[in-house]
Formats: sequence, structure tokens, C-alpha cells
Amino acid sequence: GIQVEQSPPDLILQEGANSTLRCNFSDSVNNLQWFHQNPWGQLINLFYIPSGTKQNGRLSATTVATERYSLLYISSSQTTDSGVYFCAVSGVNAGGTSYGKLTFGQGTILTVHP
Amino acid sequence: DTGVSQNPRHKITKRGQNVTFRCDPISEHNRLYWYRQTLGQGPEFLTYFQNEAQLEKSRLLSDRFSAERPKGSFSTLEIQRTEQGDSAMYLCASSLLDSRSPLHFGNGTRLTVT
Repeated sequence: GIQVEQSPPDLILQEGANSTLRCNFSDSVNNLQWFHQNPWGQLINLFYIPSGTKQNGRLSATTVATERYSLLYISSSQTTDSGVYFCAVSGVNAGGTSYGKLTFGQGTILTVHP
Repeated sequence: DTGVSQNPRHKITKRGQNVTFRCDPISEHNRLYWYRQTLGQGPEFLTYFQNEAQLEKSRLLSDRFSAERPKGSFSTLEIQRTEQGDSAMYLCASSLLDSRSPLHFGNGTRLTVT
């Protein structure tokens, strides 16, 4: 099956700093989502981005599908950004109805200090 | 849009007992997914439904696990003869039929088997 690698595994920032999280995947994808899991375990959908660039406030994401990677940018980080960030993908070669069958990376644990 | 709802939030049970979890998806969503997340890992796909039809099951879903979505609305996940290795967060997600529709996750049910 498709492999997903996220880096870095851990990231510690001071409030106000910027950061970039990376997601590499091993095959062509028909779905790619970035999630934030808060300390209570809730998975919050940040971006649906199998290709291209999107921005939402202080967050933006870029997926270069031909090179099989995606980047999540967090600017002016806040303590509420702390948590685990997951990249999840579904592979094109897994079948036409597989786009919801997501394979998650191991996540990046982000800690933002005041 | 009230989001995906899961009940109960927490369940503690003794080994060998049966447990059942419920998921109410976003009302207009045709697809419903179950995932499992263990400590320190990303969620793993278990199964998914399109309306009332269960279209795919992961190898992770042993014969002690059964999922239903009888009227294409809410879904239940039952685990029979629970084992300590079943302790995990069980996450439900839903999406529209459109392949460009992202998955939206519920808050999960945390199962502890003692």
C-alpha cells in the first residue's frame, strides 16, 4: 500500500514563529488532507489538497503531486496551534472508490510555548 | 451542520465483554468510515459504507468486529469478546459521495479494556 512519511516528528516553537511541516507519499494520490488533532483527540480537517495551493488565515498548504509531497505552513504560531498534525492520503492505484480510505502518516507533534 | 457525533465518548469494559459504539454522520453525507487510533500512531482505516452498503473492510477488522449502517444513516461498530489489544480510540468520519469531498471526523470513542 501507499506509504506516508511526515517530518519533522517533533517541533518546538516560541509563539510568533513560523514553521513548515512536510509530508512525502509513495504513490499518486486522489485525496490528500491535513488534520490537526487537538489535546482532546479531535481530528480537525485543515485542508483538502490533492494538488495545488490553499490558504486559510495563518495556515497554508501546497501539494506538488508530480513530486509526491505536500507542505503545511503555519505562520505567527499561537499556543492553540499545539497538537499533532497529520497528513493523510488515498492512492489512485488503490481503486476508484478508495479516496476516503486514508493512510495516515505518523504525525508531527507541535508544541508552541508562550 | 452539527458535525459527526459519536457515543459514548469513553467506554471502560472488562476483557471478554461485548461493546457497541454509535456514529451519527453529517446528515447529507452518503459515506461513513470507521478508523482506529492507538497511542502515538495515526488513525488506521477499518471499514466504510456507502449509504447502507459496506463496501470495504480492512484486514484489521477481525471476525470479532462487526459494523452496520442499517438505514444508511447512523452506524454501529460492535466488538465481541473484547481483548486488551482492542483498547484504542475508535473514530468515525463521513463525507459526500463526490470524490473531491473531504472526510470530517467525530470526536471518537475511547475504549479501555481491563
